[in-house]
Amino acid sequence: GQQLNQSPQSMFIQEGEDVSMNCTSSSIFNTWLWYKQDPGEGPVLLIALYKAGELTSNGRLTAQFGITRKDSFLNISASIPSDVGIYFCAGPSGAGSYQLTFGKGTKLSVIP
Amino acid sequence: EPEVTQTPSHQVTQMGQEVILRCVPISNHLYFYWYRQILGQKVEFLVSFYNNEISEKSEIFDDQFSVERPDGSNFTLKIRSTKLEDSAMYFCASRTAGNYGYTFGSGTRLTVV
Repeated sequence: GQQLNQSPQSMFIQEGEDVSMNCTSSSIFNTWLWYKQDPGEGPVLLIALYKAGELTSNGRLTAQFGITRKDSFLNISASIPSDVGIYFCAGPSGAGSYQLTFGKGTKLSVIP
Repeated sequence: EPEVTQTPSHQVTQMGQEVILRCVPISNHLYFYWYRQILGQKVEFLVSFYNNEISEKSEIFDDQFSVERPDGSNFTLKIRSTKLEDSAMYFCASRTAGNYGYTFGSGTRLTVV
């Protein structure tokens, strides 16, 4: 099946720093989704991307849908302690399917 | 903001016992899902449900699993005879038509002993 590879697996940053993480696939995706999961909670949708090259922001978060349609990037500017969590990319498992395939996540730790 | 509600938040069960995990999706959503997340691993699809029937299911969703929408609000996942490897967080999710952005519940942590 389709696999999404996220990097880095984990990162430690100082509060106030910018963060960048990415997600790649061996196959083309028509939709990219970025979710955040806090400990003990379900994933929460941050940004949805529907078009190659699309750049979308949600507050301090910006995500891009790669031109090749095989990757996506999530940037967080001026990180704060509540940005701590696991960030997952996800995409449809097949053409016309609403079943999502998730990456393994990037665990973000913010040092105050 | 509307929420997907899951109960219980934690469940411990003996191996071989049946468990039912409950979910109340967002009221105007029509598509319902169960996903699971084994500790420290990625979120995995189990099953999707629309119009009172299963739309898609994964290889994980074998004959031990079933889903039901017994009334207009609840959506349940039943595991008939639990195994140790069923221990995981189980997430219910729902969405509107044409929208990939699911709303997930907070999950039920199932521990099989």
